[in-house]
Amino acid sequence: EAGVTQSPTHLIKTRGQQATLRCSPISGHTSVYWYQQALGLGLQFLLWYDEGEERNRGNFPPRFSGRQFPNYSSELNVNALELEDSALYLCASSLIRTQYFGPGTRLLVL
Amino acid sequence: KQEVTQIPAALSVPEGENLVLNCSFTDSAIYNLQWFRQDPGKGLTSLLLIQSSQREQTSGRLNASLDKSSGRSTLYIAASQPGDSATYLCAVTTGTASKLTFGTGTRLQVTL
Repeated sequence: EAGVTQSPTHLIKTRGQQATLRCSPISGHTSVYWYQQALGLGLQFLLWYDEGEERNRGNFPPRFSGRQFPNYSSELNVNALELEDSALYLCASSLIRTQYFGPGTRLLVL
Repeated sequence: KQEVTQIPAALSVPEGENLVLNCSFTDSAIYNLQWFRQDPGKGLTSLLLIQSSQREQTSGRLNASLDKSSGRSTLYIAASQPGDSATYLCAVTTGTASKLTFGTGTRLQVTL
């Protein structure tokens, strides 16, 4: 069974640009979670999507947004990139509560 | 607001030693607790999941305990190996929020 996949593995952007990160959940999982792991800040919850709807949101500004598609895959969009957005972005999927993580996308903002 | 703390922040032990990592959380109304391993620059590997109704879980050389009333969990690693070197994170799911709240991790180095 394939695990959670994320693309791209690495992404380099400049300040002010937009970044789009993608996540494909484990087959049959309907929930997708996004987390940010910035240097020195630990893992912070960003967004939770379930059945195509945003269910919960962490303490992040509105320029962090996303969506979940009918096939349960998800996109995370970060607008107006700032230097401090440089981080590892992890996606997880679940069917009932237990979350399984993907390998992450490392975003570098120059 | 749930807060998760892990002690120690870093630990170095010689190969073969048994060791204990500690995790504490402030809100005992958890749904479950997970221990993860993270290798440098990589994603998370789930090690053990303990439901709120359980006291412990075991997988190979790993044993995790949960004392929900005191807000504590421990991860016991037996006969440590250099391949165990990684950062270990504990995380809890609280109430209906479904999100995981992570601790800051314990960076473990097992030396030859």
